[in-house]
This record gives sequence, structure tokens and C-alpha cells, in this order.
Amino acid sequence: EAGVAQSPRYKIIEKRQSVAFWCNPISGHATLYWYQQILGQGPKLLIQFQNNGVVDDSQLPKDRFSAERLKGVDSTLKIQPAKLEDSAVYLCASSQRLAGSSGANVLTFGAGSRLTVL
Amino acid sequence: KQEVTQIPAALSVPEGENLVLNCSFTDSAIYNLQWFRQDPGKGLTSLLLIQSSQREQTSGRLNASLDKSSGRSTLYIAASQPGDSATYLCAVYGSGGSNYKLTFGKGTLLTVNP
Repeated sequence: EAGVAQSPRYKIIEKRQSVAFWCNPISGHATLYWYQQILGQGPKLLIQFQNNGVVDDSQLPKDRFSAERLKGVDSTLKIQPAKLEDSAVYLCASSQRLAGSSGANVLTFGAGSRLTVL
Repeated sequence: KQEVTQIPAALSVPEGENLVLNCSFTDSAIYNLQWFRQDPGKGLTSLLLIQSSQREQTSGRLNASLDKSSGRSTLYIAASQPGDSATYLCAVYGSGGSNYKLTFGKGTLLTVNP
């Protein structure tokens, strides 16, 4: 089974510029997550999709971050305009089961997209 | 709000030593707990998952225990090897209001010296 694919792996931008990250989850996985991992910290959930609907975006800075999951498959995470504190690794993960069901938290993570904002 | 704490933040041991990583969480109403491994520049790899009704799980040289009532878990690594060097993350799966989510600790950076 192919894993979770993310691109780009690395991105360097200047503050106030925009950036977009792409994620292709494992085929058939209903739930997709975007996590932000700042250096030295654990991953923090930004947004969770179930199929193509948003389940939780309570920690997403909506003034600058946006995400979508078209047709319940691929997802993009956009930051515009970027700030210095957005420098982090953005991890995408997917899960076969629906939120709340048994096995729903067996997540498979992608390798991540490392963002550096100068 | 669920908070997960991992101690120590970093640990350096000689090869062959047995070691224990600690994880504590504030809300004991969890469904399960997972230990992940993260290598530099890589994503997360799940090592062990303990259901809330279980006390421990074992995989090879790894043993994870869970004391849900006290909000604690430990990851025991036997006969450590240089290849075990990585960051180890603890995460609990619980109901954060109306949503089910994984909440992570900050991790323990383990270095095993040859």
C-alpha cells in the first residue's frame, strides 16, 4: 500500500509571501489531518477532514491559513501571508476509519513539508 | 483541555542500556494511547498502541504500559541500540469536546551512543 504523499518536502519563503502544501492520503482513507510541528514541540492539529467536510479546525489560524479537500481525496493547505512563526514542519496524516469509531486513530503520517519563513 | 507531558526532554545512554521514557496526561478520559518514533526529517511511525482497557503492549524490545487512572504511561526499551536514536512521541486519543483527536507531547530525544 502506498503511503501518504506530501509535497514539496522543503520550502523557503520570505514573510508576507504565500505558500501551499499538497497531500495525497492513502487510497480509501476517509479522514485526513493536517498537523503543524514547530521545532522542539509535538505536532498540533490544525484541521481534520472527514471525506470532504471539516470536522475540526479550531486551532487553524483562519486569518492566514486555509485548507480544502476536494472530492474527499487530495488536500491542500495554504498560508497567506506567512509569518516568521509559521516556520515548522507541516504533517499530513490519514485514517481509514471515521472519527469516533474504533481504529479511527490509527493514523499514517506523511514525511512532512518543512517550511522556513525568513 | 488535554495536555500531554513527556519526561525527560532528552536522554543520552550508552549502547546496551535499558531505559524508560515517561508520559503523563491530564484528562484520563481517553480511548487509547500511542507511542510514535520520529527520525530527523521524517514523518511519524507508530510503535505501540494501548487501548484504554489494556495495561500494556509489547513489540520486540519495546514495552509500553498504561495507568489510565493516574494519567501515566511508560515506554521501556530493552538493550538499547544506536539505531534506536530518534525522538519518541506520546499521544493520547480522546474526545476533545465533540471531536476525537490525537494530542501529542513534545517528545523525548533519545541518543544511544555506540
